[in-house]
Amino acid sequence: AQTVTQSQPEMSVQEAETVTLSCTYDTSESDYYLFWYKQPPSRQMILVIRQEAYKQQNATENRFSVNFQKAAKSFSLKISDSQLGDAAMYFCAYRGTSGTYKYIFGTGTRLKVLA
Amino acid sequence: GAVVSQHPSRVICKSGTSVKIECRSLDFQATTMFWYRQFPKKSLMLMATSNEGSKATYEQGVEKDKFLINHASLTLSTLTVTSAHPEDSSFYICSASFGDGSYEQYFGPGTRLTVT
Repeated sequence: AQTVTQSQPEMSVQEAETVTLSCTYDTSESDYYLFWYKQPPSRQMILVIRQEAYKQQNATENRFSVNFQKAAKSFSLKISDSQLGDAAMYFCAYRGTSGTYKYIFGTGTRLKVLA
Repeated sequence: GAVVSQHPSRVICKSGTSVKIECRSLDFQATTMFWYRQFPKKSLMLMATSNEGSKATYEQGVEKDKFLINHASLTLSTLTVTSAHPEDSSFYICSASFGDGSYEQYFGPGTRLTVT
């Protein structure tokens, strides 16, 4: 069975600085999708970035980028120029390409942004 | 596009009563919908996956007779918590996907259920 691990329960970053959130996963599939979701205090899940495993190029969305290391089964999220609005819970998620297409979520990392 | 709504956003009910939560895809047809439960400061726990017109598939440990899921149309799924008890108090989130191998889920804003 697939698993997703986020080893950092909480992280802090100074406003305008850069922070990296870690995520590792375990799977025997060769093709799959990985996601980072943000959950602010409103509890609405917001997609931050997605990565298709067959793509070698790391995904980038404005200030958010990932370091996808397929062999190491690692998928970290880098937030550059951190803003107060980035403060939230961040969840890493895995989705395979067969079966029910359900997501497997990590336990989350709470990000605090210090002014 | 790809907006999912949930109703109600908050509900308080008495112990022993049943409560229904609706999940709607507003601008797309959702072949597959998912129901999650989230405890405070915890991750999302998948309860069940529902496909339009068929019975829901429940995750291990989720009581199907207690959490009734109906996916009667391509835009609506409902979760009914039957004979609710205080331990059922939680935040319930639904998501929807296009199906047909589409990989992304679109999440609703969630429903906070409090059972007194």
